[in-house]
Formats: sequence, structure tokens, C-alpha cells
Amino acid sequence: DSGVTQTPKHLITATGQRVTLRCSPRSGDLSVYWYQQSLDQGLQFLIQYYNGEERAKGNILERFSAQQFPDLHSELNLSSLELGDSALYFCASSVGLAGAGTQYFGPGTRLTVL
Amino acid sequence: GNSVTQMEGPVTLSEEAFLTINCTYTATGYPSLFWYVQYPGEGLQLLLKATKADDKGSNKGFEATYRKETTSFHLEKGSVQVSDSAVYFCALIMEAAGNKLTFGGGTRVLVKP
Repeated sequence: DSGVTQTPKHLITATGQRVTLRCSPRSGDLSVYWYQQSLDQGLQFLIQYYNGEERAKGNILERFSAQQFPDLHSELNLSSLELGDSALYFCASSVGLAGAGTQYFGPGTRLTVL
Repeated sequence: GNSVTQMEGPVTLSEEAFLTINCTYTATGYPSLFWYVQYPGEGLQLLLKATKADDKGSNKGFEATYRKETTSFHLEKGSVQVSDSAVYFCALIMEAAGNKLTFGGGTRVLVKP
């Protein structure tokens, strides 16, 4: 158990809908990262927050947004969903910003868009 | 940009066999290198890491050495067990490019009894 929790574990929805994925980092970790794992794109970095502020952006679509709240949990919002958004979405957390700091991954949320 | 290339799987081995998974990287500068493992139905777990050239990371019988001259970070284990069946991901971080992990495509390893 990494200490990072993600809810829900599974999510099935229809095209055009909007969903929210939630992540609670390990106690004491200030950084939260979101990654997408899909069969065609592999594991890709989406976005990072540090202590409530956005710090880095990767290949995140404009239809996707995220935020980190004062209690440090984070939410990833996916809207106008398309079939191609079906993937496993991971959240990870680390203590700080340092590059060599270990990122601890949650179990993921599997999103299926029908 | 930065990228990681690792051998495609699946790699099928018998128990107690020697495992090598090749990983090479492209980066402008000196990244930190990682191996993560994903067991079936689970998230990623850090297996080992190395932060500078010639560093050797090791954990659970797995080893990898950061080779700057060949831009490689190959994963090895001398005697695999069935419980090592998983997908292994090589990854790098460049601090200058933010703290995001750049992953290779993953290598599925299947160990048969």
C-alpha cells in the first residue's frame, strides 16, 4: 500500500459526459501528479500540482482540468468524454519538487467511455 | 525532447532464469533514472532508482547501473520467481523539465514455474 488513495476504482460512462476523479496523497506529501495509461499512448504525464498551485503540464487535453485543494487532495475533471479517453488514470504524490524524489502511485481509476 | 526506449515484451522465462530488460534514454542533460513495476491489477511501485552516472540501484534482487556513456539503465535479476511476473517500466526525470516522469513503453515479464 503506497498510501495514495484514488476513488472511484472503476468508472463507466457515456460519450459527452463529465467525470471527476479524486486523489488523496500520502500524508505529508505536497506534490500531486496525474498520469494517463492507455494501450496506444502508454503512460503519459498529465499535470502536477504543488501545495495547491499548478507546477507542470504535460499532454493534457483542454477538455481536462485539475485542481489541488487546501487539504492537498486533488481532483481531475474530464469533460466532453470521447471513446479515446478510456484509460487507467493514476495519481502519484511526492514530498516536494525535487526531481529525484520518489513518486508514490495510487492504484488508479479505470475509466471506460461507452 | 526526453524519451525512454525499452525492449518490447512479452519476455517469458522459467523460474530461476536470468532476467535482463534493456532500457536506453535520450535527454539533454543528466536525468535521474527509475525502474517501476506494475503487478497485475495494481498501481506502479518504485523498484529502484539512480540519480547520477555509475550509481547502481538495487532492490529485491534487481539491479540497474546508470551508464552515461551508453545512456542506458538495464534492469537485471539473477534468479527470477513466479512472483516477479509483472510489467516493468523504465523512466527518467529531468529537473530542468519539471518533476514529471517520462516512461518507456513497459516490458511484460512472465515467469513460468
